[in-house]
This record gives sequence, C-alpha cells and structure tokens, in this order.
Amino acid sequence: GDSVTQMEGPVTLSEEAFLTINCTYTATGYPSLFWYVQYPGEGLQLLLKATKADDKGSNKGFEATYRKETTSFHLEKGSVQVSDSAVYFCALSTTGGYNKLIFGAGTRLAVHP
Amino acid sequence: NAGVTQTPKFQVLKTGQSMTLQCAQDMNHNSMYWYRQDPGMGLRLIYYSASEGTTDKGEVPNGYNVSRLNKREFSLRLESAAPSQTSVYFCASSGQGIQGNTIYFGEGSWLTVV
Repeated sequence: GDSVTQMEGPVTLSEEAFLTINCTYTATGYPSLFWYVQYPGEGLQLLLKATKADDKGSNKGFEATYRKETTSFHLEKGSVQVSDSAVYFCALSTTGGYNKLIFGAGTRLAVHP
Repeated sequence: NAGVTQTPKFQVLKTGQSMTLQCAQDMNHNSMYWYRQDPGMGLRLIYYSASEGTTDKGEVPNGYNVSRLNKREFSLRLESAAPSQTSVYFCASSGQGIQGNTIYFGEGSWLTVV
C-alpha cells in the first residue's frame, strides 16, 4: 500500500545551518505531496505542498521538489533559525477518490543558537 | 478565524470509561477526519467522513465510533477506553474530496487512559 518514509531524527543544527530532511514515498498513481510542521503543544500546520511531478513547493524559506523518478520530496532550508525547531511530517494524499493523508513518522528538528 | 476546533484539550480516563471527543469546523468543508498521533508512528487515520451523512473506517478504527452530526461537526467516541488508546487525537477537515486539497488540523486532544 501507499507509504511515506522519513529520515529519523532528531536532527540537531546550529542557527544558520543548511537543513535537509529526506522523504521518500511509495504510491500507486500520482499522489500529491505535503510537508506539515508541528510546533510544541500545537496541531499540524501545512508548510508546503506539490501536486504534480517537478512542482516545487515553498514557504517561509523552506522548499521541496516533487521528484517522480526518485519518488522523493526532500525538505530543504538554506539557513535555519531557532524558531524552526519543531517536528516535520512528510505526507502524501492518496489517489482514487477521497482526500486522505498518509504520514511519515515525523522528524524532530532542534536548532541551537 | 477559528478553523477546526476540538474539545476537550486534555482528558484522563479510567480503563473502561467512555467519552466523546468533539470537533467542529467553520470552513464549510465537506470532508472531516480523526487521526491519532503516537510517538515514532506519525499520524494514523481512525475514521473519516467524506461528506455529511457518510463515515468510513481508516487505518486504526477498532475501539472507536464516529458520528457526523452535520456538515460542521464530527465526533469521536471511545465506548470502553483502554490504555492502548492513550494518544493525541487530531480532528481535521478539507474541502471537496479531491486529491491535493489541503487538510486543516485542530490543535489536538491529549487523552490518557489509566
């Protein structure tokens, strides 16, 4: 069945470092792909999305490109801030009718000053 | 701009007790969802409702029931709580059941079953 695999965390970085969080997926058809972010004690917020191959989603300095050939949707940011510390979830939207999300396990990011 | 509102935010139950988690959205969305979040497992779909009057099982429905009361409200009921149901529960909603539509989440309900 459809699934999402993310790199395990935690990822610990210094402020202004470059961030990559890997995400790969398995799906039939052509899913849409998402990154959600969860700050401590809060719900999930959509960070960015891409709905077809080669699309690039971007928001708040974060970017991810839908790569069909490698079934990947890696999250990147050129210079992280302490305020980016959160848990990041990669997800895909299943095909064939209803709009359901399948999530990866999440990657915790800790950014230190 | 309330979005998705769920209550209660925190609850402690004894094994065997029942309770209902309430959820409401004010975005006129057709589809609503209940997820649970457990450490290291991401979010897993419990039940969803593609439209008013319909509900379907997700990945982990056992031990739960749902009611889509109207277009705005979608409740989750635990009839006889078990420690394995200790989790964080998220309600969510989205527009037409079209792949790629953004799903919006509530702030979560922390449930502990002792």
